[in-house]
Amino acid sequence: EVQLVESGGGLVQPGGSLRLSCEASGFTFVTYSMNWVRQAPGKGLEWLSYISSSSDLISYADSVKGRFTISRDNAKNSLYLQMNSLRAEDTAVYYCARSYAVTSTFDYWGQGTLVSVSS
Amino acid sequence: QSALTQPASVSGSPGQSITISCTGTNSDVGSYNLVSWYQQHPGKAPKVMIYEVNKRPSGISNRFSGSKSGNTASLTISGLQAEDESDYYCCAYAGRRWVFGGGTKLTVL
Repeated sequence: EVQLVESGGGLVQPGGSLRLSCEASGFTFVTYSMNWVRQAPGKGLEWLSYISSSSDLISYADSVKGRFTISRDNAKNSLYLQMNSLRAEDTAVYYCARSYAVTSTFDYWGQGTLVSVSS
Repeated sequence: QSALTQPASVSGSPGQSITISCTGTNSDVGSYNLVSWYQQHPGKAPKVMIYEVNKRPSGISNRFSGSKSGNTASLTISGLQAEDESDYYCCAYAGRRWVFGGGTKLTVL
């Protein structure tokens, strides 16, 4: 069974940093691309970032480019999102989602981890 | 990176059909046959219902169908059931990035 489990969310002050993790199981992680998608409270979904299976292709939404960094460790079956210079508008549930390639749909999602940015 | 445009809400009675539209531009919906639709129940993770405009993942009912014309994609749900009541999001590939619609709340009357 495919499982994606996010962790690392919490309360952080504006300007602070946080690192999210997504641990994958139930599939061959090294053969899949991964994404981060977020959802602000009561709002819609927003795609944030993509990383290919070998980390050779990475892309970001304009809203997080230069502040967030996606990475992965295939030996640990894990995906990461380093979030710096956090703002109140970054408050959201952050989901990791699997895709086969950059043009593929997000076929499995984790349950999400909540990030709250507030003083 | 503007969101795709969806109606905020749609409704229908059990057994009826409804269609949710998703309007983008010729840089996203209009450029690629890479439109997905996700269903999200409150407090749950999204679930893909349609991908590549009109393909259904294994296990998804054939009551769900997708189509596209120009810059507008559509999701049709036939034979509405109570469990279809949910939020629905379209998502389109836009060249090394993805853009979501604002979401549509489906109410089954």
